[in-house]
Amino acid sequence: QKEVEQDPGPLSVPEGAIVSLNCTYSNSAFQYFMWYRQYSRKGPELLMYTYSSGNKEDGRFTAQVDKSSKYISLFIRDSQPSDSATYLCAMSAIFGNEKLTFGTGTRLTIIP
Amino acid sequence: DSGVTQTPKHLITATGQRVTLRCSPRSGDLSVYWYQQSLDQGLQFLIQYYNGEERAKGNILERFSAQQFPDLHSELNLSSLELGDSALYFCASSSGEGYNTIYFGEGSWLTVV
Repeated sequence: QKEVEQDPGPLSVPEGAIVSLNCTYSNSAFQYFMWYRQYSRKGPELLMYTYSSGNKEDGRFTAQVDKSSKYISLFIRDSQPSDSATYLCAMSAIFGNEKLTFGTGTRLTIIP
Repeated sequence: DSGVTQTPKHLITATGQRVTLRCSPRSGDLSVYWYQQSLDQGLQFLIQYYNGEERAKGNILERFSAQQFPDLHSELNLSSLELGDSALYFCASSSGEGYNTIYFGEGSWLTVV
C-alpha cells in the first residue's frame, strides 16, 4: 500500500463548479501538507501549504487537513478552464522540502 | 518559467546505456532536488543536494548517482539503463534549508528502448 493515495481521476466539471480533490495517507508522522498543480509538459508548482490540521484559504483555493482521519482536501471555487491541470498532494514529516511524498495526481478538466 | 533549467528535454537511449541529465537551479538557490515521475509510481523523490553536499536521499537506485558542482549546477547520472527507467526526471531548487518554495524545472523525458 502506498503511503499517499490519491484518486487519479480523470475528473471533469463544468466551469463555475466547486471542485473537491482529496488524498489519504497512512504515515501519522506527516505534518506538512502541500498541493501542487502541474500543467501538461510542465513541472509542478506549489499552490498551497499547510501545517498540521486545519484550513487555509487563498483566493479561490481552500486546503483542509484532518490529521485524525489522515485526510486532506483541496477545494477550488468558481472553477475556471485555466484550472485544468493535474493536482498533486504532497506531504512531509519534517520541516523543509526533503523527502516530500507525493500522491499520483488527479487530472482535472474544467469544461467551458 | 520557474528559472530552473534542465537539459536535455528529451532523450531516447538503449538498454544498458548511461545518460547524464543536467540541471541549472534558479539564481541564488543552494538546494537542488531530483525527482522521477512515472505513470504508475507518480513523483518520487530521489536525492537532494545543498551547497554541494548530499543532504537527503530517497528511493534512488544504486545505478543512479548525482552531484552538485561548485557553481551549484547538478547532474544526475543514470547507468545500466533498463526499460523501467523510462520516466520524466525533474530537477527542482530552493533557496536554502528549511521550508521555502521549491521550483521545478520542466523535466527531462527519458525513453529507454
